Amino acid sequence: NAGVTQTPKFRVLKTGQSMTLLCAQDMNHEYMYWYRQDPGMGLRLIHYSVGEGTTAKGEVPDGYNVSRLKKQNFLLGLESAAPSQTSVYFCASSYSEGSNQPQHFGDGTRLSIL
Amino acid sequence: AQSVAQPEDQVNVAEGNPLTVKCTYSVSGNPYLFWYVQYPNRGLQFLLKYITGDNLVKGSYGFEAEFNKSQTSFHLKKPSALVSDSALYFCAVRDMTGGFKTIFGAGTRLFVKA
Repeated sequence: NAGVTQTPKFRVLKTGQSMTLLCAQDMNHEYMYWYRQDPGMGLRLIHYSVGEGTTAKGEVPDGYNVSRLKKQNFLLGLESAAPSQTSVYFCASSYSEGSNQPQHFGDGTRLSIL
Repeated sequence: AQSVAQPEDQVNVAEGNPLTVKCTYSVSGNPYLFWYVQYPNRGLQFLLKYITGDNLVKGSYGFEAEFNKSQTSFHLKKPSALVSDSALYFCAVRDMTGGFKTIFGAGTRLFVKA
């Protein structure tokens, strides 16, 4: 199993450009999450989904949109990139039954906004 | 509100010596507690979790963690450190009564010297 796969791995954007980050999981997980990781701040939740066709805001949703059209995919979009969105983005997934299950993470997308 | 504190930005230990990475938490109800490890340019990997029962939890790669309810702590330990244990470690907490939202600590960098 591939687990959680994120594409692309690296990207450099100019301010104002748009892009979509793709996350795919092959574990049949119901829940999927997008986080950003910044030095000294741990992981902050951007958006999450509890199932196909559902999305919800996390801790830092401004400037991002998401879609979950298929159970295995969770897309994160930046409509107009800003330098403050320079970060490492991680996608994760987990089972729905019970809240004692760990999350499975992808290897991240390193995004630089110039 | 849930919160997690990892009071040490970095922990230095000599190979073969025991190591401890500290974590304290705050939740309104009973917690689910997790430890994850992150190697360079990789996503977080699950190490171990505390759900209920025995206060000493054993996990991957010889790591264990001790749950202390009175001190609201969940410190990660290993009897004998390896150079390959050098990585970034994250503590995370989920409130059993607050759905599935997980809060991550800021991370502690472990450096094991040969």
